[in-house]
Formats: sequence, C-alpha cells, structure tokens
Amino acid sequence: EDKVVQSPLSLVVHEGDTVTLNCSYEVTNFRSLLWYKQEKKAPTFLFMLTSSGIEKKSGRLSSILDKKELFSILNITATQTGDSAVYLCAVNSNSGYALNFGKGTSLLVTP
Amino acid sequence: GAGVSQSPSNKVTEKGKDVELRCDPISGHTALYWYRQRLGQGLEFLIYFQGNSAPDKSGLPSDRFSAERTGESVSTLTIQRTQQEDSAVYLCASSRPGGIETQYFGPGTRLLVL
Repeated sequence: EDKVVQSPLSLVVHEGDTVTLNCSYEVTNFRSLLWYKQEKKAPTFLFMLTSSGIEKKSGRLSSILDKKELFSILNITATQTGDSAVYLCAVNSNSGYALNFGKGTSLLVTP
Repeated sequence: GAGVSQSPSNKVTEKGKDVELRCDPISGHTALYWYRQRLGQGLEFLIYFQGNSAPDKSGLPSDRFSAERTGESVSTLTIQRTQQEDSAVYLCASSRPGGIETQYFGPGTRLLVL
C-alpha cells in the first residue's frame, strides 16, 4: 500500500528562523511529488518534483527530491508570520492519477 | 484566469438527508478530482474524471457517495443518507490532461452533518 509520511506533525518557530519539513514515501511506480500550502481550505500549489537532486526554488521556499532514499524536503528561510499554514506533501504514481497525501505539517511562525 | 470554484462554501445538514456539492473546474482542464479531508487528517481521494473516459471511483467510501460530470465541465458530488462521519471538507481539483500535471484545488465545501 502506498504511504506518505510527513514530519514533524507540527512546528512552532520565531520569525526569521529557517525550517525544514520532511516527506518520506513508499509508492509503487513513482511519478511525481508535490508540495502544497493549506491556510484555510484550499491547498495552494508550491512545487512539483519529478527528478532527483534538482532543487526547485521560489523566493524563500525551496524543495528537493531524493528518489534513491525516497524523501523530499521543503525549506523555508527567514520565516514570516504569513508562512503559518499546514504544508502538505503528496505523491502521484503511474498506477493512477490521484494524489496520495501525507497528513501534513502544521507550521506556526510567531512574531 | 479563474480558478476552481466550489459551492456551497459551507453546508449544514441533518443526518439522513441527501446533499449535493458542486465543482467548476478551470477552463481547459479535462481532469477533475474529488478529495475529502476530515479534521486533522490528510486528503483522501474519492473519484477522478478524465474527459469522456469512465471515472475512477476507487476512492468512494460507500455506495451512498456518487459523482457525475457532464463532458469537461461542472461536476456534482452527491452524498445520500448522510451520516455524521461524512462531516469533512470536500475539495475538488482540476488539471490539464497528461501523466504529470499539477492539480489545482478549489476552496472546498465544509460539510457538517448533525
């Protein structure tokens, strides 16, 4: 059975800190890994990773995938209170088009 | 352009009643997905539509759940004889066709079954 595990489940940091969120997976016929930010209801897309070792970057956020060790990390540097959200990791496999989600990491950035 | 839209935003119903949730995908997105998110949990896949192909219903939790989509437009998710455990946020996503395409989510419908 496909599995996506995120850690930590929750995290509290101060503004300006750097955080690293983890996502490990066990998926048959891996196709892609996606990161989403969920603040209220709608998850908003951050990154999609398909190739190992290539960093995706957008402003203070970056992510990298390791297909050999079956994990991805999401880094947020110089955190701001607006980064407070649940960060979801999801994996897509060739066995279907549905995304298999982890339970998320709840990040709280305090002023 | 406009994103995925869903209605209603919130729905409160009594146990045993039927509910209908609506999703309007992004124009040009032929793939449409329904997910459910219970409190404190990750998203669970429910059903997937791709163009005129038969839908993938493998995630529907029981025969009380059904979904329809007309062509490549609006989809409705129907829950019959609602139960309290159906309370969740129901999220719709759409994507372009293809093997590796980003799914874009709507704002969801928060369903509360009393």
